[in-house]
Amino acid sequence: SQQGEEDPQALSIQEGENATMNCSYKTSINNLQWYRQNSGRGLVHLILIRSNEREKHSGRLRVTLDTSKKSSSLLITASRAADTASYFCATDPLHDAGKSTFGDGTTLTVKP
Amino acid sequence: DTAVSQTPKYLVTQMGNDKSIKCEQNLGHDTMYWYKQDSKKFLKIMFSYNNKELIINETVPNRFSPKSPDKAHLNLHINSLELGDSAVYFCASSQDYPAGTATYNEQFFGPGTRLTVL
Repeated sequence: SQQGEEDPQALSIQEGENATMNCSYKTSINNLQWYRQNSGRGLVHLILIRSNEREKHSGRLRVTLDTSKKSSSLLITASRAADTASYFCATDPLHDAGKSTFGDGTTLTVKP
Repeated sequence: DTAVSQTPKYLVTQMGNDKSIKCEQNLGHDTMYWYKQDSKKFLKIMFSYNNKELIINETVPNRFSPKSPDKAHLNLHINSLELGDSAVYFCASSQDYPAGTATYNEQFFGPGTRLTVL
């Protein structure tokens, strides 16, 4: 089964609203990354948060990491139609380096 | 300039055939990867490879084999294609692990190759 699981599977919001996606994982990690995938395209790296960090910001993105709960969240503030995409978390396992595992993804639709 | 490129973009072939997908990165990265994304968008790592080590996901059938002619290329060879191999295959690359740390850098993905096995 996938190391990471995102929820919700699908999220539909209006432009300007905030979008929150969650990722849960099973084993201890070195770091966690979030990626975006536009339809028919490859994944694009958004942000990386290390296991000793709790929160990180990048523009309109805010990522939190709770290693005690083995979970992370991605918040996109003031969403735009161009944010419509699938979002994946990827974990780098602590004892299995090189075998990063992607979650199932959250499909975000931002309506103009 | 394209950082990670794959060819072909689309590949349609008959069951039982042998095919290859090429991947090239011009980022000077040390590690390259192949992923398979199925129709439900589940993304599974198949291989990671640098000049020191090939790490294989044990669930990948041995019909799949990566071949690296040089540091900038990691091609995927698939023998005896099956219907279940139909998916989008992504190549990616990243900088190698810095020695003595557990730092892991972001991966840069290619545009994907959509493989359809008839």
